[in-house]
Formats: sequence, structure tokens, C-alpha cells
Amino acid sequence: NAGVTQTPKFQVLKTGQSMTLQCAQDMNHNSMYWYRQDPGMGLRLIYYSASEGTTDKGEVPNGYNVSRLNKREFSLRLESAAPSQTSVYFCASRGTRNGGQGVEAFFGQGTRLTVV
Amino acid sequence: GENVEQHPSTLSVQEGDSAVIKCTYSDSASNYFPWYKQELGKGPQLIIDIRSNVGEKKDQRIAVTLNKTAKHFSLHITETQPEDSAVYFCAASSRARSARQLTFGSGTQLTVLP
Repeated sequence: NAGVTQTPKFQVLKTGQSMTLQCAQDMNHNSMYWYRQDPGMGLRLIYYSASEGTTDKGEVPNGYNVSRLNKREFSLRLESAAPSQTSVYFCASRGTRNGGQGVEAFFGQGTRLTVV
Repeated sequence: GENVEQHPSTLSVQEGDSAVIKCTYSDSASNYFPWYKQELGKGPQLIIDIRSNVGEKKDQRIAVTLNKTAKHFSLHITETQPEDSAVYFCAASSRARSARQLTFGSGTQLTVLP
């Protein structure tokens, strides 16, 4: 049981290049999320997927796209990278509990992205 | 939408002392309040959470209190140890929000001095 796995761990891009960050979870969770973490700003939600086949914008979606490939995988794509997208990116997943009670979100180890 | 404010942004304490981190939230519909610890180079990890039907919860040296009226919740760490040094995040979510999105505070860098 690996939890949430993100690849790659580190990446350097040139301005204008594209790339896809991969995320997979093995906990059979319905909901998956992409966050970015910048100094002093906590974790900000980029996109999320409430269930397989659905995706929605979060707080900071501009410049990103996502794909919920299946229940396990949720990828984040930067079509034309900009220096402002230099950040640490975290993928997370979350299950549900009977009665709709909040349950723990599990995070991957993060992808440190630098755009030069 | 939800807004979560967290204070202080940095906190230094002597080993053995207590540490308190405070958060406020804006959405009265929020009903789940987790606290995450993030060590250097790693993803955040849940350390304790509380739901809106409870006022306080303890787990060994860690406790969380919730004041729904004031929309305020706090993390208390007693008998701090050097391994408690990390960044701590509070968060809030609501059953009413799609995918029960978590909104995070800006984080507190806790340093425990030996």
C-alpha cells in the first residue's frame, strides 16, 4: 500500500515548455486534488476531482489542465510553463465515511518544479 | 468561499515548553478541522482532526480545541521535543462543498530549541 505516488520529484522547465505531473493513489478514494505550495501562502487548490470522470477548478486554476484518467490516476498539465508556476506541487486523495463525515486527506511527496 | 487564517507564522519554543497555534475560519458550514504536519521535503501528514460536534480532542501530547461560535480552533502541543520542529497547517472543510475541499491556513514554522 503505497498511498499517493507522484512523479517526477524534481523538474526544471524552460519558459513555454509543457509537462504533465502524474499522481496515482491505491486507497480506492473517490476524491483527488492538486495543490501548489508557495512560501507564506500555504497550500492552494488548483483543480480537484470529486469522482472518476469529473474535474473542477479550484482557487488558482489558470495555466493548468487536469485529467482524471481513472479512479486511481489524476494528472496535472502545464501547457506553456511560466516562471510564476515555479512551486512545489502536491497531489492528495480523500475517501468518504458513512454519514458524510470528513475523513483524512493523504498527500504525495510533492514535485518541486522550477521554470526558468 | 472559505477563508482560513493561521497565526503565528513562526514560533520558537524551548524543549519541554508548550506550543499553541491558532486558526480562524469564515464559513459557518465548515464541520471538519484537520491539522497537518509537514517535515522538510515531505508532503503534509495528518496529526489530529476534530469535527464540529466535539469541542476538544486529545492524542498524547497533542490536543485541538474548537469554538464554533467564535469560528476558532487551536492546536496545543505539550512537552515539545526537537522532532516536533516542522511546518504545521490547519485546514477546514464542509460537507456542503464539492469533494469536501480543504482550505488551508498559511502555515506555522515551529522550531523547538534544545
